[in-house]
Amino acid sequence: SQQGEEDPQALSIQEGENATMNCSYKTSINNLQWYRQNSGRGLVHLILIRSNEREKHSGRLRVTLDTSKKSSSLLITASRAADTASYFCATDDRAGGTSYGKLTFGQGTILTVHP
Amino acid sequence: NAGVTQTPKFRVLKTGQSMTLLCAQDMNHEYMYWYRQDPGMGLRLIHYSVGEGTTAKGEVPDGYNVSRLKKQNFLLGLESAAPSQTSVYFCASSYLNYYNEQFFGPGTRLTVL
Repeated sequence: SQQGEEDPQALSIQEGENATMNCSYKTSINNLQWYRQNSGRGLVHLILIRSNEREKHSGRLRVTLDTSKKSSSLLITASRAADTASYFCATDDRAGGTSYGKLTFGQGTILTVHP
Repeated sequence: NAGVTQTPKFRVLKTGQSMTLLCAQDMNHEYMYWYRQDPGMGLRLIHYSVGEGTTAKGEVPDGYNVSRLKKQNFLLGLESAAPSQTSVYFCASSYLNYYNEQFFGPGTRLTVL
């Protein structure tokens, strides 16, 4: 099954800096989603970008999608200590059929923001 | 609204024992999913359901069974637990629409000795 690969595996920055995480995938997708997971908690949906979109913004989040390169990036601007978490990309790869909303998750990027 | 809840939060089993994990959602979602998360890995889909009375296999279904007798509940069973099933289990649910986001429960941490 398709699996997204995320880069870097871990990222450590200072408060106020920007954080960029990348995700690559293997096959055609319907949409790509980013989720956040705080330590010991469940995942929380952050943002969804459709396959016909190239960029999307939500607050301090900016997501880009390049379907020709099968890659996406998540940018968190002006990071805060509270942004410390793991971030996962997930692809809905129904590609013309129905996947019943099944998502394939990447391995995640661990982001640490130092005060 | 409670969202997605999971019971229990923690459990320790001995090899060969059985148990059932309960997932409940109060958002009237059609779709429900069970995932497992292992260290350094993303989530892997175990089983999923597209509606009451229906279930289907995901990526890693071996050793697990599921049932969805009521729309709001999705049960994950381990008939004979093995150490390889030590993991954190997450349940999720979503609406029946073309662009779905999934809503996750807090997880169940299972250790099989």
